[in-house]
Amino acid sequence: QVQLVQSGAEVKKPGASVKVSCKASGYTFTSYGFSWMRQAPGQGLEWMGWISAYNGNTKYAQKFQGRVTMTTDTSTSTAYMELRSLRSDDTAVYYCARDYYNSIRRFEIWGQGTMVTVSS
Amino acid sequence: QSALTQPASVSGSPGQSIAISCTGTSSDVGGYNYVSWYRQHPGKAPQLMIYDVSNRPSGVSNRFSGSKSGNTASLTISGLQAEDEADYYCSSYTSSSTLPYVFGTGTKVTVL
Repeated sequence: QVQLVQSGAEVKKPGASVKVSCKASGYTFTSYGFSWMRQAPGQGLEWMGWISAYNGNTKYAQKFQGRVTMTTDTSTSTAYMELRSLRSDDTAVYYCARDYYNSIRRFEIWGQGTMVTVSS
Repeated sequence: QSALTQPASVSGSPGQSIAISCTGTSSDVGGYNYVSWYRQHPGKAPQLMIYDVSNRPSGVSNRFSGSKSGNTASLTISGLQAEDEADYYCSSYTSSSTLPYVFGTGTKVTVL
């Protein structure tokens, strides 16, 4: 079946980086893209950015520009989201979701989420 | 560019119908038919319930319906059931280069 499986929980110190993975299965990887979202404890969903698994094109929310990099590895059908210069307010559950290959449209398949805790 | 506006909470009794509003601008909700709705149970990933304003993905109950008028989209849940108690988020594509996609503030639905 179609599914996205994310990497496990992370604990990082302020200023460090985190790289979350999202392994896809059950469909043709390069026919879709990925959007990444996050949800701080008790808060709503926040869209971070999108990457096309077809050609690697990206779009990022300006809030994260310069701190985030989204990539894909077609050989392993895995998408990655790296966030740098972590701060305490980056503590959140990070989600990947399958999206269109050429635009940001809708998220039918979601990963289970990865908790990232930033604490000294 | 900021989050789409939703009511913080909506409640109803089993069997009743409720509606959740999602207000944006002509740069997002009003400008595109790319409004989606997601349901999120506590501790779980969100689930797509409605896409492109009024379309239901395969497997989603026909008790869920979506519509749009101007800059406001709505999700209606008919025949409210206990399993519908959850947080609901709208979302939309936007014309903004700084925030190409935006979620709503979220609505807690309580089944009385």
